[in-house]
Amino acid sequence: GESVGLHLPTLSVQEGDNSIINCAYSNSASDYFIWYKQESGKGPQFIIDIRSNMDKRQGQRVTVLLNKTVKHLSLQIAATQPGDSAVYFCAEKISVDDMRFGAGTRLTVKP
Amino acid sequence: EAGVVQSPRYKIIEKKQPVAFWCNPISGHNTLYWYRQNLGQGPELLIRYENEEAVDDSQLPKDRFSAERLKGVDSTLKIQPAELGDSAVYLCASWGLGTGELFFGEGSRLTVL
Repeated sequence: GESVGLHLPTLSVQEGDNSIINCAYSNSASDYFIWYKQESGKGPQFIIDIRSNMDKRQGQRVTVLLNKTVKHLSLQIAATQPGDSAVYFCAEKISVDDMRFGAGTRLTVKP
Repeated sequence: EAGVVQSPRYKIIEKKQPVAFWCNPISGHNTLYWYRQNLGQGPELLIRYENEEAVDDSQLPKDRFSAERLKGVDSTLKIQPAELGDSAVYLCASWGLGTGELFFGEGSRLTVL
């Protein structure tokens, strides 16, 4: 992924608002994408995935949108809660069993 | 069911010293990954194993890094000698056949002084 050093893109939202986190991926041939959540001091955790034959997939409070034309993914979190504060990464499947990660976005939820 | 287990969680060493990290993947998961995560960045793949075979080690700095997965279960990642730039979190992950999901351990945070 593209290096952003210590300056992660950040998003700050008020508790209860909706959050939208964006990601650009690199390989037009990628057919599978995952959003991960990483809390401080922990490994990334799976949130939701989407295959390239879909434009949208919904989970519990989360929605992923895929725009293959511009190679863009977004993660929407409804009614954001303090427990949603974390760094969010998108990952694309480059080949069989090979996932590559973007640089991440730090989400901060203000009470 | 236990998740991916890594140890140690934290390690502080002086440069030029060796260090090793251990990973126990989820039972039955054939594919094991080692990633390095620098501060403020996403995980970057170092090596991927299918059972005991390293199928992608193109990103592993082979002059100082080595890895093994004897018997296709646990894996060890070694750095010798460590350099200041090796300070990072080393993440292990496993992927079970048919699950479509990558499970990560909590990582081993290395600080090289």
